[in-house]
Amino acid sequence: AQSVAQPEDQVNVAEGNPLTVKCTYSVSGNPYLFWYVQYPNRGLQFLLKYITGDNLVKGSYGFEAEFNKSQTSFHLKKPSALVSDSALYFCAVRDGGNAGNMLTFGGGTRLMVKP
Amino acid sequence: KAGVTQTPRYLIKTRGQQVTLSCSPISGHRSVSWYQQTPGQGLQFLFEYFSETQRNKGNFPGRFSGRQFSNSRSEMNVSTLELGDSALYLCASSLNIQGTAEKLFFGSGTQLSVL
Repeated sequence: AQSVAQPEDQVNVAEGNPLTVKCTYSVSGNPYLFWYVQYPNRGLQFLLKYITGDNLVKGSYGFEAEFNKSQTSFHLKKPSALVSDSALYFCAVRDGGNAGNMLTFGGGTRLMVKP
Repeated sequence: KAGVTQTPRYLIKTRGQQVTLSCSPISGHRSVSWYQQTPGQGLQFLFEYFSETQRNKGNFPGRFSGRQFSNSRSEMNVSTLELGDSALYLCASSLNIQGTAEKLFFGSGTQLSVL
């Protein structure tokens, strides 16, 4: 079985400050990890993914994520937050040994960026 | 290129009724997945279809079913609706390139309310 934990329901940060949204995962095989963002009344939008290789992954809108195998973590980061980054963020994992696109999502973290 | 289209956008039903939701994937995408999103349970995987065959299935009762047509369009059906089925149902499509961890493209969802 696979699982994802996002320990913070909400993260508050001031505009211009760095932000981190935390994610830890559990999967039996090789992890394929993803971050998605959801704006109000919309579906999810892909931000970035990790499959293999460099532990620092760069994605859309200036976001990046750091894969740490020993800590089974995949934290989302951005050097300088924007008010427009305020949204709901989901971390997801897929077992790389399985065919298909069955993702297990974390519970989501609401990011609030204040001017 | 048109995105993933889900219809209807909103739906109100009463307990015991059945409902059918529709999803048109991005042109050329062959994999369609369905997810249920609720405030309490978060995002949960329902099932995935590829080439008209169910490839993966989540942990939902048999009242939840789906199918995929030869043009990759997909429908999901929920029979004997219960209050707890009230949720945002999201459809996602992908190209299904073998051996890759693809990003999913999500529709805006169908908001189902069961009264």
